[in-house]
Amino acid sequence: EAGVTQFPSHSVIEKGQTVTLRCDPISGHDNLYWYRRVMGKEIKFLLHFVKESKQDESGMPNNRFLAERTGGTYSTLKVQPAELEDSGVYFCASSPRVLEQYFGPGTRLTVT
Amino acid sequence: GDSVTQMEGPVTLSEEAFLTINCTYTATGYPSLFWYVQYPGEGLQLLLKATKADDKGSNKGFEATYRKETTSFHLEKGSVQVSDSAVYFCALSDQKGTYKYIFGTGTRLKVLA
Repeated sequence: EAGVTQFPSHSVIEKGQTVTLRCDPISGHDNLYWYRRVMGKEIKFLLHFVKESKQDESGMPNNRFLAERTGGTYSTLKVQPAELEDSGVYFCASSPRVLEQYFGPGTRLTVT
Repeated sequence: GDSVTQMEGPVTLSEEAFLTINCTYTATGYPSLFWYVQYPGEGLQLLLKATKADDKGSNKGFEATYRKETTSFHLEKGSVQVSDSAVYFCALSDQKGTYKYIFGTGTRLKVLA
């Protein structure tokens, strides 16, 4: 069974540009989460989808971040326009039920 | 709100040494507790979990016991190996609404041969 995949693995963009991160969850997992780890700090929750519906987006930093989950399958996280403080590692996780989450390898975003 | 506090790293040990990484939590209700590990260049992997008080999670020689009275979930291993070098994250699941995870800051472990 394939695990959670994320693309790209690393993205370097300039301040003001737009970046879109993609997450493909494990097939059949209805729950999809996005998290972010800023350098040296804790991993923080961004938002949670159940199928295509946003259940909780309380962790989204501001309206420059937009997440979607098309048809309840893969998800994208767009940052527009990117700022320096958006740099970090963005993790996606999926879960078939509420307890155990399976994480992807993360996307390292560097905004210069 | 709920929170997780982990001991600061990095932790450097010699091979076969005993490992303890402290983790304490603050939560309303009865969270589930987890340890995740991130090896160099890889994603987060579940190491072990415990869902209720006094449960002991174990995997690959690592153990942690859910202590409600001390709100702790310390990670231990009796004899570490070089291959255990990684970053370890303690986390809780808030058991309500979204069951999102709340993580500690992570502890980097380096094991020397």
